Amino acid sequence: SQTIHQWPATLVQPVGSPLSLECTVEGTSNPNLYWYRQAAGRGLQLLFYSVGIGQISSEVPQNLSASRPQDRQFILSSKKLLLSDSGFYLCAWSVTGVMWPLHFGNGTRLTVT
Amino acid sequence: GQQLNQSPQSMFIQEGEDVSMNCTSSSIFNTWLWYKQEPGEGPVLLIALYKAGELTSNGRLTAQFGITRKDSFLNISASIPSDVGIYFCAGQLSGGSQGNLIFGKGTKLSVKP
Repeated sequence: SQTIHQWPATLVQPVGSPLSLECTVEGTSNPNLYWYRQAAGRGLQLLFYSVGIGQISSEVPQNLSASRPQDRQFILSSKKLLLSDSGFYLCAWSVTGVMWPLHFGNGTRLTVT
Repeated sequence: GQQLNQSPQSMFIQEGEDVSMNCTSSSIFNTWLWYKQEPGEGPVLLIALYKAGELTSNGRLTAQFGITRKDSFLNISASIPSDVGIYFCAGQLSGGSQGNLIFGKGTKLSVKP
């Protein structure tokens, strides 16, 4: 069966520090991979998605970037965090070629201080 | 941008009561998904709907894809305390791109034993 792992679960970082969140998927090949952000009281906002190694589409211009160095690995990064980057970050995957249904990881709670 | 209007925002009900929530839009959707999110975790898929008029059940949960393709509802029958959480609808716009899965802002359900 397929599983998705996301870490760390929680993170507190000072403003201006770098960020690296990692997500890996097991049990499937060439999945579509996604990074979402969930702010308090809001729905999920798509940040990036990838249909293959090295292929990244950005939905929202911002202080963040994503990379996919391996087939089942997706990384969310920032060179300098802003206060507004605080939130709940969710990685998700779907079967290659289709977007739904999405399967989510357990998320990373990021607090920028 | 495109929006899904999900209502109600929150519900406080007694155990055993039935629950109904819905999502509406002015746009046409090809797919509707319903997710449940518990505190500190990622959303978990409950029901996926792929065809206008489709009615699908998952245990005590029933969801329908509206005939107009602009709305969907989720019903929970005989609620129990473990139904507590935030329920999200998500839809893929007709003619939408790979990344165009739009989420509602969620319905927070509280169940009193």
